[in-house]
Amino acid sequence: EIVLTQSPGTLSLSPGERATLSCRASQSVSSRFLAWYQQKPGQAPRLLIYGASTRATGIPDRFSGSGSGTDFTLTISRLEPEDFAVYYCQQYGRSPRTFGQGTKVEIK
Amino acid sequence: QVQVVESGGGVVQPGRSLRLSCVASGFTFSNYGMHWVRQAPGKGLEWVAVIWFDGSNEDYADSVKGRFTISRDNSKNTMYLQMNSLRAEDTAVYYCARDQGYADNWGQGTLVTVSS
Repeated sequence: EIVLTQSPGTLSLSPGERATLSCRASQSVSSRFLAWYQQKPGQAPRLLIYGASTRATGIPDRFSGSGSGTDFTLTISRLEPEDFAVYYCQQYGRSPRTFGQGTKVEIK
Repeated sequence: QVQVVESGGGVVQPGRSLRLSCVASGFTFSNYGMHWVRQAPGKGLEWVAVIWFDGSNEDYADSVKGRFTISRDNSKNTMYLQMNSLRAEDTAVYYCARDQGYADNWGQGTLVTVSS
């Protein structure tokens, strides 16, 4: 099983600041089969990024994904008030399709 | 628009069974695989199972293998999760989602509580 470790656990930032979230895999993630999701309280997760760097439909360009192999990053260039949420990475290249434990981005 | 809606959650005693349903609309259901993902109260996401577009293959998390069965009826645009031998640790919101490898459209979830 590929274990995904996200860091930091919590990120305290102000609106307008840049957020950098990390997702590290215990084994190489094949063909960059890495996705990022956003979840707000009481809501279902929403797909942000797939293929490590491709934005899903309707996702603003302040969200960007990068990385390969075992190290992946989600960057939010300038935080908007609606971006404060929990973010999860997921690998879908190998069974089981594991999630990271999440990073909470909170208002400082 | 693409929509998936879960139902069937509720309170069930340990050791008992429950079947969840997921009804899809807004896309050609028979062309897509489908996932179940769960989230225990206050915890992160846990992938549960996936079924191929035609029902020919399934895959499960180790935590549910042998107890849960995923299935689908393409004539009804519906996917199911049969959950047997339920345990307290199965308490969670269960989401269904469309499969593209990743999960690109999620329902709002249905809450399953396993408690005596």
